[in-house]
Amino acid sequence: EPEVTQTPSHQVTQMGQEVILRCVPISNHLYFYWYRQILGQKVEFLVSFYNNEISEKSEIFDDQFSVERPDGSNFTLKIRSTKLEDSAMYFCASEDSYEQYFGPGTRLTVT
Amino acid sequence: KNEVEQSPQNLTAQEGEFITINCSYSVGISALHWLQQHPGGGIVSLFMLSSGKKKHGRLIATINIQEKHSSLHITASHPRDSAVYICAAPLLGGSQGNLIFGKGTKLSVKP
Repeated sequence: EPEVTQTPSHQVTQMGQEVILRCVPISNHLYFYWYRQILGQKVEFLVSFYNNEISEKSEIFDDQFSVERPDGSNFTLKIRSTKLEDSAMYFCASEDSYEQYFGPGTRLTVT
Repeated sequence: KNEVEQSPQNLTAQEGEFITINCSYSVGISALHWLQQHPGGGIVSLFMLSSGKKKHGRLIATINIQEKHSSLHITASHPRDSAVYICAAPLLGGSQGNLIFGKGTKLSVKP
């Protein structure tokens, strides 16, 4: 069964460094999402992406964040200058216009 | 804008017990997700349902669109069912798009 994959599973980085989280959505899906879960809190929406552009973004998704689909298969989330409060699980999801399928997540730890 | 409430927040059960987790939402939707999050943090989609009832093994999910309420039931619970169960609904209603998540119900099944 097709699945969404994410790499790396765990990323440790120092404050101020740039990180790129990678996702491979299910092929033929057209809608892509990034969500975040800070430890002990709810999962929160970050950004949605359709037709090679951002369709919606939350207040969390500020100028430090960017997304792109560099090669038609990968879907990446970049954080330019990480802060301690960016430590969280980051989930990617792809949608076939009916149901969202979640990746296993990347745990980002900023020290 | 949708709001999602889950109850209970924590649930401890003895192996074999029947479990019910409830979810209510404020904006009319066409579909709702039930997700399972394991201690390691990964999310697995259990159900997306738009009406009536769905069953998968010992898991049953029901939804009442008119009452804006859904329940997740686990029959003959087992320690391996211990996880956080999360319901999620489209932020702006309907059936697609950015999801808003409940806080989750932490289930612990004792042998």
